[in-house]
Amino acid sequence: EAGVAQSPRYKIIEKRQSVAFWCNPISGHATLYWYQQILGQGPKLLIQFQNNGVVDDSQLPKDRFSAERLKGVDSTLKIQPAKLEDSAVYLCASSPRQGGALNTEAFFGQGTRLTVV
Amino acid sequence: AQSVTQLDSHVSVSEGTPVLLRCNYSSSYSPSLFWYVQHPNKGLQLLLKYTSAATLVKGINGFEAEFKKSETSFHLTKPSAHMSDAAEYFCVVSDEGDSGYSTLTFGKGTMLLVSP
Repeated sequence: EAGVAQSPRYKIIEKRQSVAFWCNPISGHATLYWYQQILGQGPKLLIQFQNNGVVDDSQLPKDRFSAERLKGVDSTLKIQPAKLEDSAVYLCASSPRQGGALNTEAFFGQGTRLTVV
Repeated sequence: AQSVTQLDSHVSVSEGTPVLLRCNYSSSYSPSLFWYVQHPNKGLQLLLKYTSAATLVKGINGFEAEFKKSETSFHLTKPSAHMSDAAEYFCVVSDEGDSGYSTLTFGKGTMLLVSP
């Protein structure tokens, strides 16, 4: 079974530039997550999709971050404009869980390491 | 709201000695709990999960964890550490949020260092 695919693996940009990350979840997985992992910290949820609808974006800085999930499959996360504090690893994960199902784990991609200079 | 506290940011052990990584959680509902491991420059990998069945859960690579509701804990253990266990470990809680959808909340992580 193919895993969660993310691209690019690494990205270096200057502050105030824009950047986009792409995620292809495991086929058939209804739930897709984007997490931000700053060096030395645990992953923080940015946004969670159920199929192509957003179910939680309470921690997404909406003035600069946006995300969409096309046709309930692939997803893109965009930052515009980037700030120095956005330097982090951006993790995409998917899960077959539906709604309130608690006991299904998430499968993670290898992440995109973003450096803002 | 749910939360996770990993009590140690770093744990150092010698190869062949026991490992204990501590995790306490807070949840308004009956949660599921997970431990993930992250090796350098690798993705997060599931070690084990608790889903309201047996309170002692066995995972991969000899790890196990015990769910103790009275103590709101889910500590991770291994009888004998191996050099390849050196990595960062995350405790994760999942419960049904106010939206009716379950979310995954991570602790800050514990870095396990294994010396020869």
